[in-house]
Amino acid sequence: QSALTQPASVSGSPGQSITISCTGTSSDVGGFNYVSWYQQHPGTAPKLMIYDVIKRPSGVSNRFSGSKSGNTASLTISGLQAEDEADYYCCSYAGSSTWVFGGGTKLTVL
Amino acid sequence: QVQLQQSGPGLVKPSQTLSLTCDISGDSVSSNSATWNWIRQSPSRGLEWLGRTYYRSKWSNDYAVSVKSRITINPDTSKNQFSLQLNSVTPEDTAVYYCARSIVYGNEYYMDVWGKGTTITVSS
Repeated sequence: QSALTQPASVSGSPGQSITISCTGTSSDVGGFNYVSWYQQHPGTAPKLMIYDVIKRPSGVSNRFSGSKSGNTASLTISGLQAEDEADYYCCSYAGSSTWVFGGGTKLTVL
Repeated sequence: QVQLQQSGPGLVKPSQTLSLTCDISGDSVSSNSATWNWIRQSPSRGLEWLGRTYYRSKWSNDYAVSVKSRITINPDTSKNQFSLQLNSVTPEDTAVYYCARSIVYGNEYYMDVWGKGTTITVSS
């Protein structure tokens, strides 16, 4: 199992939209609709933001949305705010009761 | 609310065994609707799921292929906790280790509660 591929960094200005990609294979991202996204601020534990590719847990802003096409999942954050600045990780079910994470993307709000 | 409290030594010598414990409050390690996970994070590898334990009429474990030969995750029902043991550690096992609960959201298990993390350094 190799880690999913994410861009190391993305940036955007307040109010703009950004998209973070997460590329895997047909054995993980492409094979199952069990992709999640986690937000992590420095020195804190990750927080679940998206599950089942497109769904948001209660309490997560609707500015966060997920999608998937083939072996690539994406997280889009619209109306960028300063507090969105964090690291974002994708995670996918990889079969045989195992999970694989992406390498993480640092989001900078300019 | 559910809280996870981690404990364990922060320094482990190469070739020795890394041991961590995660105390659960607000839920039960024997819950039929949760699984109990260990994940680690390093600058070079990002987040890495290591394995889980769970109870569904019997205890079961699942482990990541990368550590399967070296890892053991055990529940302790008397203390409502679960533990991680990673054998034969090398400096590559240096990371922040997290315990986390997974419950079903939608159609699968997702990690919704995390411990604060324990920094483990492997060095002589």
